Amino acid sequence: AQSVTQPDIHITVSEGASLELRCNYSYGATPYLFWYVQSPGQGLQLLLKYFSGDTLVQGIKGFEAEFKRSQSSFNLRKPSVHWSDAAEYFCAVGVQTGANNLFFGTGTRLTVIP
Amino acid sequence: GAGVSQTPSNKVTEKGKYVELRCDPISGHTALYWYRQSLGQGPEFLIYFQGTGAADDSGLPNDRFFAVRPEGSVSTLKIQRTERGDSAVYLCASSLSPAEEQFFGPGTRLTVL
Repeated sequence: AQSVTQPDIHITVSEGASLELRCNYSYGATPYLFWYVQSPGQGLQLLLKYFSGDTLVQGIKGFEAEFKRSQSSFNLRKPSVHWSDAAEYFCAVGVQTGANNLFFGTGTRLTVIP
Repeated sequence: GAGVSQTPSNKVTEKGKYVELRCDPISGHTALYWYRQSLGQGPEFLIYFQGTGAADDSGLPNDRFFAVRPEGSVSTLKIQRTERGDSAVYLCASSLSPAEEQFFGPGTRLTVL
C-alpha cells in the first residue's frame, strides 16, 4: 500500500534563508509525486509534480523538488524563503494507473520569521 | 475561469442529523474527487467519480457516507446520522481526466455537535 511520511511537523526559517521540506514515500512502482501548499482559508494549490523524466522538477513560486528513487524521497526546496511562503505543505503520492487518487502526508507547517 | 466551488463553506449540525455537501467542479472536468481533512492531518481520499459513476469508493469510511454525481458535473456528498467524529473539512477536487492535475476547492468545514 502507498504511504507518505513528512517527518517534520513544524519548521521555522528566517526570511531569505533556504528551505528544505522532507518527504518519503512508500509505493511498489514508480509513483506520481506532488507537493501542495495550503494557506489558511485557501484550497490546496499544486506547487509541482513529478511523473517521469528529469528527477529535478521546477514549480511555481520558486520551488523545486528532487525525486530520489534510491531514497524514496521527494524533498521540496527553495533557495530564499519569503514571508508569504508561510503555510502548510503537503506531499502526496498518486497511483500510477487508473484514477489518480492522492495519498497525502500529514503536512509540514512552515513559519517564516523576519 | 472559475475554480472548484463548494457549498456551504461551513456547516454546523447536531449528532444524528443528515447533511449534504455540494461540489461544483471546473467546467469540462470529467474526474471528481472527495477528500476529508481532519484537524492536523493531510487530506484523506473518500471517493472518485469518472463522469456520472463512482469509479472508486474505497475511501468511504462506512455506509453512512454516500455521494452522487447524476449529470456528470455537480456532486453531492451525503452523510446520514452524523457523528462527532465526522467533523472535518471536506474537500472536493476535479481534473480534466484521471491522470491530470487535481484542482481543489476551498472545502466545507463540517462541525457535528
